[in-house]
Amino acid sequence: GNSVTQMEGPVTLSEEAFLTINCTYTATGYPSLFWYVQYPGEGLQLLLKATKADDKGSNKGFEATYRKETTSFHLEKGSVQVSDSAVYFCALSSLYSGAGSYQLTFGKGTKLSVIP
Amino acid sequence: GAGVSQSPSNKVTEKGKDVELRCDPISGHTALYWYRQSLGQGLEFLIYFQGNSAPDKSGLPSDRFSAERTGGSVSTLTIQRTQQEDSAVYLCASSLALSRFPGEQFFGPGTRLTVL
Repeated sequence: GNSVTQMEGPVTLSEEAFLTINCTYTATGYPSLFWYVQYPGEGLQLLLKATKADDKGSNKGFEATYRKETTSFHLEKGSVQVSDSAVYFCALSSLYSGAGSYQLTFGKGTKLSVIP
Repeated sequence: GAGVSQSPSNKVTEKGKDVELRCDPISGHTALYWYRQSLGQGLEFLIYFQGNSAPDKSGLPSDRFSAERTGGSVSTLTIQRTQQEDSAVYLCASSLALSRFPGEQFFGPGTRLTVL
């Protein structure tokens, strides 16, 4: 079955530090890959996505590249801000055979705290 | 426009009682998903609706869990004879069935269920 493994948190960084959150996946077929973010007290929001190998998703200074050869989708940001403090979830979606469901399979989440 | 809404936002119930959780998807979204977010298990898929039918119920943890969707819009997740292990945040998500980016789902704020 499908699975997503992401680095355990929590991660604490100083403002303007470089961020990497590792994510690797196992999936049948050709999944789409996502990073979702959950800010304190808010719901899950899509941060970025990539639908095929070598695609780079980017948003709000965050980037992730779909690497099929290493089955990875690591999240990076060059200079984090206090407002980036949140829980980040790596996820994949592949068509569920026969049912048409693009259910998401999530990693366990990585809590990021950025201190001034 | 309006996002996905869920009600109630919080629900506290006693073990053995039945509960109903409601989801209002984004207007026009024909695909609807229920997920559960708990400390021990992370984010887990429960059930998928396409219109009013549920072709993928593979994530429902037991026969105490059921869901329906009416009019291709509002969905209700029902948990009968609640147990303490049912305590979690229940998330609803919706998407366009023919989305260019399969799996791009928009999440509601969730219902936090506490079973005493």
